[in-house]
Amino acid sequence: QVQLQESGPGLVKPSGTLFLTCAVSGGSISSSNWWSWVRQPPGKGLEWIGEIYHSGTSNYNPSLKSRLTISVDKSKNQFSLKLNSVTAADTAVYYCARQGDYGTKNLDFWGQGTLVTVSS
Amino acid sequence: EIVLTQSPDFQSVTPKEKVTITCRASQSIGSSLHWYQQKPDQSPKLLVKYASQSISGVPSRFSGSGSGTDFTLTINSLEPEDAAAYYCHQSSSLPATFGGGTKVEIK
Repeated sequence: QVQLQESGPGLVKPSGTLFLTCAVSGGSISSSNWWSWVRQPPGKGLEWIGEIYHSGTSNYNPSLKSRLTISVDKSKNQFSLKLNSVTAADTAVYYCARQGDYGTKNLDFWGQGTLVTVSS
Repeated sequence: EIVLTQSPDFQSVTPKEKVTITCRASQSIGSSLHWYQQKPDQSPKLLVKYASQSISGVPSRFSGSGSGTDFTLTINSLEPEDAAAYYCHQSSSLPATFGGGTKVEIK
């Protein structure tokens, strides 16, 4: 059973950088799956942030693309998210998730989520 | 960007009732539509993939239908543990997008 675990600071200052890591266990990040980030502002709906394949190929939400970097570390079996120049609007629970097998794009395994608050 | 519009936003239902949630896409997405359940303080859980494909371990009372622009999630005979928010998600084109969610409350 694949498990994902997000980690990173829970508080980031405005104009600072948000950095989160998603550790994958019970499976290999080098499998034929894409790996995604999704966020959810408090009391609101879900927003797709972006995705990455173990080769390093990535796709980003255009609304975040200028500030966003998603990377993969195969040696540590994890992938990461870096978001620059954060504002209060970036306050959210951040989830990492795995897309399905055989190129399917449904999100079948999710981390428990981590709340990141942007505040001074 | 493909916009997904869910309805209703909120539904209050008695146990054993049937629940129908709809998701309309702003353009045709074939069958690239997935449904998730999210209970309070939990991460989303996949219920149905590709419009109507069942997921192992998900109760059979959950089913999906539709194609193109109009999709439906049906919960037959609602159970108290089905109180949650439900979201649709399209993967037909990037960026992937989610519907605004439907909150189901048990009367």
